[in-house]
Amino acid sequence: DVKVTQSSRYLVKRTGEKVFLECVQDMDHENMFWYRQDPGLGLRLIYFSYDVKMKEKGDIPEGYSVSREKKERFSLILESASTNQTSMYLCASSFRQSEAFFGQGTRLTVV
Amino acid sequence: GENVEQHPSTLSVQEGDSAVIKCTYSDSASNYFPWYKQELGKRPQLIIDIRSNVGEKKDQRIAVTLNKTAKHFSLHITETQPEDSAVYFCAASLDNQGGKLIFGQGTELSVKP
Repeated sequence: DVKVTQSSRYLVKRTGEKVFLECVQDMDHENMFWYRQDPGLGLRLIYFSYDVKMKEKGDIPEGYSVSREKKERFSLILESASTNQTSMYLCASSFRQSEAFFGQGTRLTVV
Repeated sequence: GENVEQHPSTLSVQEGDSAVIKCTYSDSASNYFPWYKQELGKRPQLIIDIRSNVGEKKDQRIAVTLNKTAKHFSLHITETQPEDSAVYFCAASLDNQGGKLIFGQGTELSVKP
């Protein structure tokens, strides 16, 4: 069974804090993704990584950065959290163009 | 970059009726088109996918059709059941971008018993 695990289910952070969201997959997938899910806006791609240390911006990268030092781990960093970054964050992984497996999601609230 | 538009945003049908959800994409080089179902409080899961060398694919009550010329693809669910109620997402991917996956806005399907 493929497992994609996100480090936290719920997070509450203060405005201006640096926030780390961690994602780990156990299937040796090359691709890893970070999406943000907001009602009516679908799943918007923040960043995508197709290999270790490789990253590509998605549609909404502003205010975010990522790190992929090991194949199984993909971290999303909010450099200075703002209230408009309150959202559900979903991590996913896949072999190239094949089924993407999602983590359980992290609901982040920035106050 | 790729842009995926999905319609309708909400869809309500009676149990036993068919449901159709449509998506259009912008990049003619996209060649992989999956559909995901997300039940309330759960993570999205793949229900069916189609590649650009195929025009139609079926899996029991679910089918997907692809029109490469018009750059649109559709999800068809026949004989809908209450357990089909969920949010459905279409997506598109380009192979030369390593499998970057861009999603549509989602369709909330409600099947009334």
